[in-house]
Amino acid sequence: GAGVSQSPSNKVTEKGKDVELRCDPISGHTALYWYRQSLGQGLEFLIYFQGNSAPDKSGLPSDRFSAERTGGSVSTLTIQRTQQEDSAVYLCASSLLGPLVGGTEAFFGQGTRLTVV
Amino acid sequence: SQQGEEDPQALSIQEGENATMNCSYKTSINNLQWYRQNSGRGLVHLILIRSNEREKHSGRLRVTLDTSKKSSSLLITASRAADTASYFCATDGETGANSKLTFGKGITLSVRP
Repeated sequence: GAGVSQSPSNKVTEKGKDVELRCDPISGHTALYWYRQSLGQGLEFLIYFQGNSAPDKSGLPSDRFSAERTGGSVSTLTIQRTQQEDSAVYLCASSLLGPLVGGTEAFFGQGTRLTVV
Repeated sequence: SQQGEEDPQALSIQEGENATMNCSYKTSINNLQWYRQNSGRGLVHLILIRSNEREKHSGRLRVTLDTSKKSSSLLITASRAADTASYFCATDGETGANSKLTFGKGITLSVRP
């Protein structure tokens, strides 16, 4: 596709359930980011994948959060045992090059709005 | 933690006026970027300035970078109502394995018609 695609666009889940959020980056982009944004707030960094390197997981808020990137392309963010404070918009972005190899602009998906009830 | 901090937090101007937004950051960087966000969804890249550049222009946008002060400014000239949005600066860290793209909290710009 032409841009970064995220699915679903909206997700309502019950507290305690697990959810999976998907991100299809732009083909050929080596860097992939996940961010979380609460209403009216900035972007909170969650995790960063760069090529075949070990991901930077330093932003994951708890061990209920995990993410993987298969084959250097599609990424899935999983939240286990969801809590109400997990409610936010989850944004995925990809860039051709990561910061260590020159750094280029990041392209964002439209996000997944997660509501935990 | 967030590397960049924008100010002001909110800015309201009349159409036709210029809007100036500032960003300060803490550690050394490879480059600094500005993004725009409408309606709380995906961000759109506006401009990237590298650490060895001091000024860059793109249409009605002008970005400056002062690495000695660890600050940047985004100027939007001749603003339009359609410029109403949130604006974010983003920086990467120059320090090896910790280098990643992090964002400030953003500036809400309102342009009154």
